[in-house]
Parts: sequence; C-alpha cells; structure tokens
Amino acid sequence: AQKVTQAQTEISVVEKEDVTLDCVYETRDTTYYLFWYKQPPSGELVFLIRRNSFDEQNEISGRYSWNFQKSTSSFNFTITASQVVDSAVYFCALSEAYSSASKIIFGSGTRLSIRP
Amino acid sequence: EAQVTQNPRYLITVTGKKLTVTCSQNMNHEYMSWYRQDPGLGLRQIYYSMNVEVTDKGDVPEGYKVSRKEKRNFPLILESPSPNQTSLYFCASSWGKPDTQYFGPGTRLTVL
Repeated sequence: AQKVTQAQTEISVVEKEDVTLDCVYETRDTTYYLFWYKQPPSGELVFLIRRNSFDEQNEISGRYSWNFQKSTSSFNFTITASQVVDSAVYFCALSEAYSSASKIIFGSGTRLSIRP
Repeated sequence: EAQVTQNPRYLITVTGKKLTVTCSQNMNHEYMSWYRQDPGLGLRQIYYSMNVEVTDKGDVPEGYKVSRKEKRNFPLILESPSPNQTSLYFCASSWGKPDTQYFGPGTRLTVL
C-alpha cells in the first residue's frame, strides 16, 4: 500500500539557516512519482518538483534542492539560506504509475517557520 | 490563463442541507480530483476521475458524491452534510494520474 510519512510536524529556524524537510514513502510499485508542494499562508498549493522513480539524480533549483534515495525510500527537500518567504506548509506526495487504483497520497505536511 | 476554479470559496451551512461545490478547469486535463485538508492529516483524496464518466473513490469518500459529465467540470456533492465534513476542500487537475496537479484556490466549508 502507498504511504507517505513526513515525521516533522513543525520546524522553526532563524533566517539564513539551512533546513531539510524529510519525506519517507512506501510503495510496492517499481514505477512511481514523487512530488513536493508548498502551501504559503495565503493557502494556495504551489507545485515545486516532480521526480520519477528511475531518476535518482539530485535536483537543485536556486536555494532549493532535493535528495532522492531509493535505498532508503526518501525524497528530502533542503532549503539553503532560508528566507522569511519560505515560511509555509510543505507537502510530499506519491503517485504509483501503474497501480489499478489511481490514487495520489500526500503526507501530513511540515509547517516551516522562518524567524527573522 | 490556465487555471482551476472552485466555487464557492467560503460556505457556512447547516447539517443536512445539500450542497454542491463546483470545480472547473480550462486546460483540457483528463485527471481531476477532490481533496480535503484537515490539521495534522494533510491532504486526503476524496474522489478522482480519470476521464468523462469515469470516477473512483479515494481514501475518504464517505458522505460525498461526484460526477464527471464534461471534461472540464468535476463537482463535489454533499447530499447531507455533517459537522465532521467541516474542512478545506481542494480540487485539482492534471493530464494524467502521475502528472503535476494544478490546484484550485480551495473552498472553506463549515457545517454547523
């Protein structure tokens, strides 16, 4: 069965610190997709990244980077030199490509607060 | 502009009074989905639709109905709302199931 665990409920750091948000997933499929979404205080859900199970290359986009490790079933998200605008709830999600059930499973989210 | 729209954005109602939350997308997406967001539980999928006239249950379908008569619309129906359906609801669409989902702005529902 699919499962996504974001064990960190809340994280608070001071601006300019680096912070890593953990995401651990469970799936029986060999082909699947992982996502990160951001939900700022305004409430909308903003797509950040999609990664398929065959691409274990780490991704960097500005201050954001993602570390995908199939060996530990993790897809962690790091913000370097955090800024107050990074304060948001971040969700990790999993979609199995060939499962007969076309569900998409989200983690419970990590609330990140960046203090000035 | 590519977007997913939901209406209403805010709704306060009473137990048992049938309501419909509309969702529409202008991107010709095949996959549409409804989620509810509750504190500590993240987003949970209520129903999804792979295409017109094809719908299936997500993880928390009890108390909800959906229909997909047109590709662009995917309304969420609460036949007899109860207080435990007080939540923030999001509609989303994508080309297919594993693709990036585009979310609507959300509907905050309160059932008294």
